[in-house]
Amino acid sequence: KAGVTQTPRYLIKTRGQQVTLSCSPISGHRSVSWYQQTPGQGLQFLFEYFSETQRNKGNFPGRFSGRQFSNSRSEMNVSTLELGDSALYLCASSLDTDQETQYFGPGTRLLVL
Amino acid sequence: SQQGEEDPQALSIQEGENATMNCSYKTSINNLQWYRQNSGRGLVHLILIRSNEREKHSGRLRVTLDTSKKSSSLLITASRAADTASYFCATPQLRSGGSNYKLTFGKGTLLTVNP
Repeated sequence: KAGVTQTPRYLIKTRGQQVTLSCSPISGHRSVSWYQQTPGQGLQFLFEYFSETQRNKGNFPGRFSGRQFSNSRSEMNVSTLELGDSALYLCASSLDTDQETQYFGPGTRLLVL
Repeated sequence: SQQGEEDPQALSIQEGENATMNCSYKTSINNLQWYRQNSGRGLVHLILIRSNEREKHSGRLRVTLDTSKKSSSLLITASRAADTASYFCATPQLRSGGSNYKLTFGKGTLLTVNP
């Protein structure tokens, strides 16, 4: 099976812009989680989607949003970008919602100038 | 907040030596997982140990879990330069109904294996 794919891999934006990141899970996986990784805060949970519904959400402002499509592909959107949003955004898929083994994509490196 | 905390934060060893990393966590868990991340890339799942297990092996990896001390250790034997990476422990937080909620990661141990 193909692994988790994320696009784009690298992105440069300026403050105030918005960005959309995409994640395609492993075929058959219905749960998709998003994480933000920064040197200071480490890996932080953003949200999790299952069957097109957001089931869990981390402690991030409303500027961070996401959605999941019927084919389990997921997108996350960050509006009004801030310098502190510069990070590696990781998507992970799993077979179910029990957060057992998660399979991570390569990530999207976002730089906000 | 970080559930798992790895120790040490950084570890440098020579090829062929063993590497041991420790993880402590705070709340009750039903499993604990270890992941590896090569520089700036995605995480790779290494091993999952359930709360009713004390030790688990996978190739050159050995994981122990002590639920009474809320701690786990990852041992990599006969290390190789290719093992150079950051290693994270992760624990699922439980919902009130008992099912897993989300994975919470520690800040990781940066392992450098020198050839």
